[in-house]
Amino acid sequence: GAVVSQHPSRVICKSGTSVKIECRSLDFQATTMFWYRQFPKQSLMLMATSNEGSKATYEQGVEKDKFLINHASLTLSTLTVTSAHPEDSSFYICSARGAGGASNEQFFGPGTRLTVL
Amino acid sequence: AQSVAQPEDQVNVAEGNPLTVKCTYSVSGNPYLFWYVQYPNRGLQFLLKYITGDNLVKGSYGFEAEFNKSQTSFHLKKPSALVSDSALYFCAVRPRISGNTPLVFGKGTRLSVIA
Repeated sequence: GAVVSQHPSRVICKSGTSVKIECRSLDFQATTMFWYRQFPKQSLMLMATSNEGSKATYEQGVEKDKFLINHASLTLSTLTVTSAHPEDSSFYICSARGAGGASNEQFFGPGTRLTVL
Repeated sequence: AQSVAQPEDQVNVAEGNPLTVKCTYSVSGNPYLFWYVQYPNRGLQFLLKYITGDNLVKGSYGFEAEFNKSQTSFHLKKPSALVSDSALYFCAVRPRISGNTPLVFGKGTRLSVIA
């Protein structure tokens, strides 16, 4: 299957700093990328959907000014957690889907564990 | 509203026995159906999907799932469980509509295969 990478895999930062997480589709063009957040022992919560070259569409309750998403190319999307606080600590997972319609499966990155001290 | 139910938080099965992880959904129309598996501190791995055709779908690692339209279910099955199958399993659906509709996930079921 297609490969999606995320970097970094783990990050620890101080409260008030910003953290950028990269998501790359390595062997296909991701027309759509999704960002999820997962709390311990819980399901994935969709944060936003982004299309290459367009502004991301955020889910209700997700602050777009806090979680900045950029999808500048067909192989790269970034999530920046601005002014991070301890409550932002979580497991962030990106997902990518190529062209071809809704029947295509989404491919998931390995996730980034963010810890805000 | 679309929803996916995985009624069991935890499923325990002895190695070599058959396993079933249940999933039911509430989505208008006939959605696309997926199963994913997640190992600790890892992203999700695709197992299988139902698009159309045969109700029994075969996927990776010997897993299969049966689509039942009347019961709106898509239970995951494997004839003989392995200890290495122990992981978190997610059922997901996506409506058959155009656009960038994301997957809707169930809450997950933790499978524990005991040697």
